[in-house]
Amino acid sequence: AQSVTQPDIHITVSEGASLELRCNYSYGATPYLFWYVQSPGQGLQLLLKYFSGDTLVQGIKGFEAEFKRSQSSFNLRKPSVHWSDAAEYFCAVGRGSGTYKYIFGTGTRLKVLA
Amino acid sequence: DTGVSQNPRHKITKRGQNVTFRCDPISEHNRLYWYRQTLGQGPEFLTYFQNEAQLEKSRLLSDRFSAERPKGSFSTLEIQRTEQGDSAMYLCASSATSGGAETQYFGPGTRLLVL
Repeated sequence: AQSVTQPDIHITVSEGASLELRCNYSYGATPYLFWYVQSPGQGLQLLLKYFSGDTLVQGIKGFEAEFKRSQSSFNLRKPSVHWSDAAEYFCAVGRGSGTYKYIFGTGTRLKVLA
Repeated sequence: DTGVSQNPRHKITKRGQNVTFRCDPISEHNRLYWYRQTLGQGPEFLTYFQNEAQLEKSRLLSDRFSAERPKGSFSTLEIQRTEQGDSAMYLCASSATSGGAETQYFGPGTRLLVL
């Protein structure tokens, strides 16, 4: 069955520190991969996506993610975190061929210390 | 560029009442999705439309739930005889068909509280 695992429920980092949020997926074919961010009480904002090609993708707000097929991972990174990055981050997998739904992980809540 | 909009943003209702939510997708998008998100969880797929056709429904969509997209533009999600377990954030997303590699853009959600 298709699934997405985000092993870290909560992560706390100091402002200015680097960040890596983990995402592992289980999917039969090469998936389409996404990272979304959600502020409290709000909808989801797309940070970045991977469909094919270069395995290192750049997104908005200084985020990047790397697709590693051998590890079934798509980890999100940021070199220097800002206080405004505090939010919940969701990894999602999706693929065409009959179904267009996304499967989401349970999310990682990021807290940023001043 | 107008994004996905949802109304109302918040809804409080009593158990047993019916509620209806509306979603207006990005204007050129022909696919529209509904997801449900409970506290501490990621969004879970409920159903999706391509134009006015409802093409897939999740097992989460019980008989009390019905969704429509009558003219292939806005969509409504109705919950009949609400239960406390229906309390959640209901998210709508839309996308444009592009040979498989498409991106879903989400609205702000409707938060439902069933008392």
